[in-house]
Amino acid sequence: GQNIDQPTEMTATEGAIVQINCTYQTSGFNGLFWYQQHAGEAPTFLSYNVLDGLEEKGRFSSFLSRSKGYSYLLLKELQMKDSASYLCAVLADSWGKLQFGAGTQVVVTP
Amino acid sequence: EADIYQTPRYLVIGTGKKITLECSQTMGHDKMYWYQQDPGMELHLIHYSYGVNSTEKGDLSSESTVSRIRTEHFPLTLESARPSHTSQYLCASSPGGIITGELFFGEGSRLTVL
Repeated sequence: GQNIDQPTEMTATEGAIVQINCTYQTSGFNGLFWYQQHAGEAPTFLSYNVLDGLEEKGRFSSFLSRSKGYSYLLLKELQMKDSASYLCAVLADSWGKLQFGAGTQVVVTP
Repeated sequence: EADIYQTPRYLVIGTGKKITLECSQTMGHDKMYWYQQDPGMELHLIHYSYGVNSTEKGDLSSESTVSRIRTEHFPLTLESARPSHTSQYLCASSPGGIITGELFFGEGSRLTVL
C-alpha cells in the first residue's frame, strides 16, 4: 500500500529555521509535492521535486532523495504567517493522483 | 491566481437529504478531483476525472457520485446524507498532460449532517 509519514507538529520561534521531514513508500513515483494549508483554507502549492537534490524558492527549500524515499521542506527566517499545516504529497502514477500525508502543523511563536 | 470555485462553503443539513456540492473552474483544465478531509487528517481522493464524460472512483470509498458533462464543471452528489458524511470536501483541478503539475484547490465545502 501507500505510506507517507511526516511529524504531526513542530514548534519554532520567529526568525528561526524549521525542517519538516517526509518519508514515503508508494507503488510508483513521479514526483513529490509540498503544500501549505492554513486553518480553514484550501492547500496551496509550495514546491515540486522529481529529481534528487535541493530546490530553492525564496525562504522555502525542498530536498528529495528517491533512493531513500525521503524529502524535507526547509522554512527559513520563519514568520508568524508561516504557522500552518504543511502537506507532503507523492504523485504515485502518471495521471495526477496525489497521495497526501497527514500534514505537519507548524506553530511559530514570537 | 487559481480560478476554481466551490459552493456552498458551509452546509448544515438533516439526515436523508440529497445534496450537491458544486465545483467550477475557468482555467480550462482537463483533470479535476474531489478530496475529502477530516480535521487534522490527510486528504483522501474520492473521485477524479480526466475530461468530459470521464469519471473514476478514488482510493477512499465514498457513497457520493460525480458527473463531468462540461470541462469546467464537476459536481458531487450525495443522494441521502448521513452523519458519517460530515467532512470537508475539496475540489481541485490541474492541466492535462502525461505528468501533471500542481493542483489548484477550491476553498472547500464544509458539510455537517445532523
